[in-house]
Amino acid sequence: GENVEQHPSTLSVQEGDSAVIKCTYSDSASNYFPWYKQELGKRPQLIIDIRSNVGEKKDQRIAVTLNKTAKHFSLHITETQPEDSAVYFCAASIKLGNQGGKLIFGQGTELSVKP
Amino acid sequence: DARVTQTPRHKVTEMGQEVTMRCQPILGHNTVFWYRQTMMQGLELLAYFRNRAPLDDSGMPKDRFSAEMPDATLATLKIQPSEPRDSAVYFCASGKLAYTDTQYFGPGTRLTVL
Repeated sequence: GENVEQHPSTLSVQEGDSAVIKCTYSDSASNYFPWYKQELGKRPQLIIDIRSNVGEKKDQRIAVTLNKTAKHFSLHITETQPEDSAVYFCAASIKLGNQGGKLIFGQGTELSVKP
Repeated sequence: DARVTQTPRHKVTEMGQEVTMRCQPILGHNTVFWYRQTMMQGLELLAYFRNRAPLDDSGMPKDRFSAEMPDATLATLKIQPSEPRDSAVYFCASGKLAYTDTQYFGPGTRLTVL
């Protein structure tokens, strides 16, 4: 079945360093790839997304890259800050015939930024 | 700043009891999703509605779970009878129209079944 694999499961960096989280997906028809951030005890919130017609997207310190041939996409956070500490989820869209579609989520990466 | 709301925020119940969770999607949103989050399984999609019609509930145990949208402002998820393995955080999310539109999550219902 369709799945999304996310690595690493935990990531610890020093404040100011960069963090990279990688995901691979199985359905070559996937065309939408959002990233969600979930702080402890809070709801997941979208931080950035990318669609299959672009290879890279940036928003301040956050960037996402997509390689459709290899079926993987990555989240890059530069100049990390303690408030970036959270669990990050990637997701890939799966089409359900004529019934619309859904998102398949990765297992999450717990990012810890040490001051 | 419109937000998805969910009630109750916490629920502790005993095995065998019925549990009902409610969600109010953002006004004007036409898609509603129910997710279950556990440490072991991560975020799993249970059910998905568009314009109040169920489109996909393949992730939901049919024998005990049911999801409905009685009207555009209310989505419900019921578990009857509940079991300890149902203990999890249940999130509702809503979006504008397509599954590729941004999904806005509610605060979740933390369910504990003893």
